[in-house]
Amino acid sequence: AQSVTQLGSHVSVSEGALVLLRCNYSSSVPPYLFWYVQYPNQGLQLLLKYTSAATLVKGINGFEAEFKKSETSFHLTKPSAHMSDAAEYFCAVSLSNFGNEKLTFGTGTRLTIIP
Amino acid sequence: NAGVMQNPRHLVRRRGQEARLRCSPMKGHSHVYWYRQLPEEGLKFMVYLQKENIIDESGMPKERFSAEFPKEGPSILRIQQVVRGDSAAYFCASSPFDRQGLDTEAFFGQGTRLTVV
Repeated sequence: AQSVTQLGSHVSVSEGALVLLRCNYSSSVPPYLFWYVQYPNQGLQLLLKYTSAATLVKGINGFEAEFKKSETSFHLTKPSAHMSDAAEYFCAVSLSNFGNEKLTFGTGTRLTIIP
Repeated sequence: NAGVMQNPRHLVRRRGQEARLRCSPMKGHSHVYWYRQLPEEGLKFMVYLQKENIIDESGMPKERFSAEFPKEGPSILRIQQVVRGDSAAYFCASSPFDRQGLDTEAFFGQGTRLTVV
């Protein structure tokens, strides 16, 4: 079975500061890892995904994440926060051969940007 | 190409009534997934369907919940005799059939927020 732990249910950063959202996973086999963003009353939008290619994955809106097998981590970062980044962020893992199926989500991190 | 369409966006039901949630996948997508998001929690997988087939329903409650994805028409998540604890946001996602799967993604709808009163 797989699981995902997101450390920090709420994170606040100043506009222009580094964004770091933490995600650790547990998996018995090599996982596929995802970060999704959810704006209020909206569905989830894929930011980026790791599929066993490059360990540093670049996504949309300037976000990137690095897969570290030794630390079982897949932290999300963005060098400079923008007001529009305020949202809830979910880390997810899948063990499916197809990579999309049966995602297991973390409990989410709500990101607040301070002007 | 319209995205994943879910309706209704908001649904209010009294305890004991039935709730029907609809999901129209993106054009060309043959895989549908349903997830439930309880307040202050992440999304939990419920069921994975392909046309006319339930592939994985390991996340579905054993009673009162059912899902279908007919040959024609939207996927339906049906909750019979709703209870307060069913109040949640229900999200549908779809993806195309791709044996590799690595270059595809699951696109999510905006969800249906069910309130049981």
